[in-house]
Amino acid sequence: NAGVTQTPKFRVLKTGQSMTLLCAQDMNHEYMYWYRQDPGMGLRLIHYSVGEGTTAKGEVPDGYNVSRLKKQNFLLGLESAAPSQTSVYFCASSYGHTYQETQYFGPGTRLLVL
Amino acid sequence: RKEVEQDPGPFNVPEGATVAFNCTYSNSASQSFFWYRQDCRKEPKLLMSVYSSGNEDGRFTAQLNRASQYISLLIRDSKLSDSATYLCVVNWPYGGSQGNLIFGKGTKLSVKP
Repeated sequence: NAGVTQTPKFRVLKTGQSMTLLCAQDMNHEYMYWYRQDPGMGLRLIHYSVGEGTTAKGEVPDGYNVSRLKKQNFLLGLESAAPSQTSVYFCASSYGHTYQETQYFGPGTRLLVL
Repeated sequence: RKEVEQDPGPFNVPEGATVAFNCTYSNSASQSFFWYRQDCRKEPKLLMSVYSSGNEDGRFTAQLNRASQYISLLIRDSKLSDSATYLCVVNWPYGGSQGNLIFGKGTKLSVKP
């Protein structure tokens, strides 16, 4: 099993450009999450999904959109990138209820917005 | 405000030492508690869940004090490979649901030869 994979690993964007980050998991997990991690900050939840076709806002959703068209994939979109979105983005998945289950993380995507 | 507070460290200890980290959380309704480990430039990985009665996994012991709203992690006989950042993680109930997980900023441990 590959577990949780993320594409791309690293990206540089100019302000105003758009991009999509892809997360894929092969563990048949229902729940998937997108976090961002900034220096001096804990991981912060951007959006999450409790199943195929569903999405919900997390703590810091502004400037991001997500889609979960297939159970194994969770996409994070930046429509118009801003320097404040420079961060490391982690995707995670879990089998069951958020608060009970282990979350498995992908290796992260490092995004630099100039 | 959602708060999970940890001493950022770094904790610099020699091999073989015992080291303890504490974490406090501000939501008395929280029900689930974890310690995750994050190596430099890597993803977080679950180290252990924290149960009310306390639990041990090899050299690692986790304790929960609900009354004081703090969680602790004790590492005995530290190894070089224990060098990492340790994240305290707590669920944040709201609106009748158990909510999502809130991650502390982490405590950095450096084990020296």
